[in-house]
This record gives sequence, structure tokens and C-alpha cells, in this order.
Amino acid sequence: EVQLVESGGGLVQPGGSLRLSCAASGFTFSSYWMSWVRQAPGKGLEWVANIKQDGSEKYYVDSVKGRFTISRDNAKNSLYLQMNSLRAEDTAVYYCARGVKSFQHWGQGTLVTVSS
Amino acid sequence: QSALTQPRSVSGSPGQSVTISCTGTSSDVGGYNYVSWYQQHPGKAPKLMIYDVSKRPSGVPDRFSGSKSGNTASLTISGLQAEDEADYYCCSYAGLGVFGGGTKLTVL
Repeated sequence: EVQLVESGGGLVQPGGSLRLSCAASGFTFSSYWMSWVRQAPGKGLEWVANIKQDGSEKYYVDSVKGRFTISRDNAKNSLYLQMNSLRAEDTAVYYCARGVKSFQHWGQGTLVTVSS
Repeated sequence: QSALTQPRSVSGSPGQSVTISCTGTSSDVGGYNYVSWYQQHPGKAPKLMIYDVSKRPSGVPDRFSGSKSGNTASLTISGLQAEDEADYYCCSYAGLGVFGGGTKLTVL
């Protein structure tokens, strides 16, 4: 059974940093593109970033470019999102998802709240 | 990376059919056959219902179908059931991913 489990969310002040993790199991992690998708409270889904199987290609939504970094460790079956210079508008549930052209498997999400 | 356009809400009675539209541009929906649809119940993670415009993942009822014409994709749900009440999001992949704003489906 495919499982994606996010962790690392929490309350952080504006300008602060946070690192999200996603532990994958039940499939060959190194064979799939992986993505982060977020959802602000009461709002819709927003694609954030994705990363190729070997980490050689990474893409970001414009609003996080230069502040967020997606990475992966295939030996640990883990996906990461390093978030710096956080803003109030980054407050959201962050989902880890398998795939890039569509997302068949999602984690349960981790809540990031940016507030003073 | 502008969001795709979806109606904010649609409704239908049990047994009826409803269609949710998703309008983009020739740079996303119209240019690639990588449109997917997601169902999301309150407090839950999204669930993939349709991928590659019209393909259904294993386990998704055939009451759900997808199509595309030009820059507009559509999700049709036939034989509406109470459990179909949820938010629905379209998504297009064109090198980068972009979602629609979401549509709330109410089953009357």
C-alpha cells in the first residue's frame, strides 16, 4: 500500500524557516517524480514544486521561487521542502503527492502557520 | 501560471447528471492532454478521479467521466449520489502544474 506521511509543520514567525519532510513507503520512491501541493485555509489547491526522480530537475510556482527548495533522498525514501523567508500568505496545509502530470497518491498533509 | 477557471458551485438531485467545466488556455489545458480531476471532502486529502483528460484510476466508479474540447475540460458525474457532494478541482500540467479554483458540488 502506498503511504505518504508528511511532518515538520507548525507555527513560525514571518521571515522564519521551516523544513517539511515526507516519508514514502509501499512503492519504488526513486522511480517517481514527486510534488508538493498546498491549500490555504478555506481556499483551493495550489501546486508548489516538483522534483524529478534523480533530483536533476526542479520546478517551482513563481510565488515561492528563491525562498523554497525541494529536495529528495532516495536512499531514505524521503521528500523535503525547505521553506525560508516565510510570509503570512504561505499559511496552508502542505501535501506531499506522488507524480507530476497527475497525483494519484497524497499524504494527509501538514499545517504550516506563519504568524507573529 | 494563472489558475484555471471553474464555476464556484454546481448542484443536482440524486440520480441526475452534472458537468463541471475547467477553462484554461492553449498553453495549458488546450495544449496538453494532461488534465486531471480531484475530489476533496472536508478535512480530507484530495482524491484523483480522472487523469490524462478521460482516464479513470482503478476503483473510481464509471459514473465519473472526463473530456476536453479546445481550452476547456469537463468532468461529468452521472447518477449523482449523496456521497458525491464535495469540492472538485481540475489540474493541468504544462511543464508546471496549475489547478482550478475549485467547484463545490451540492447534491440536493
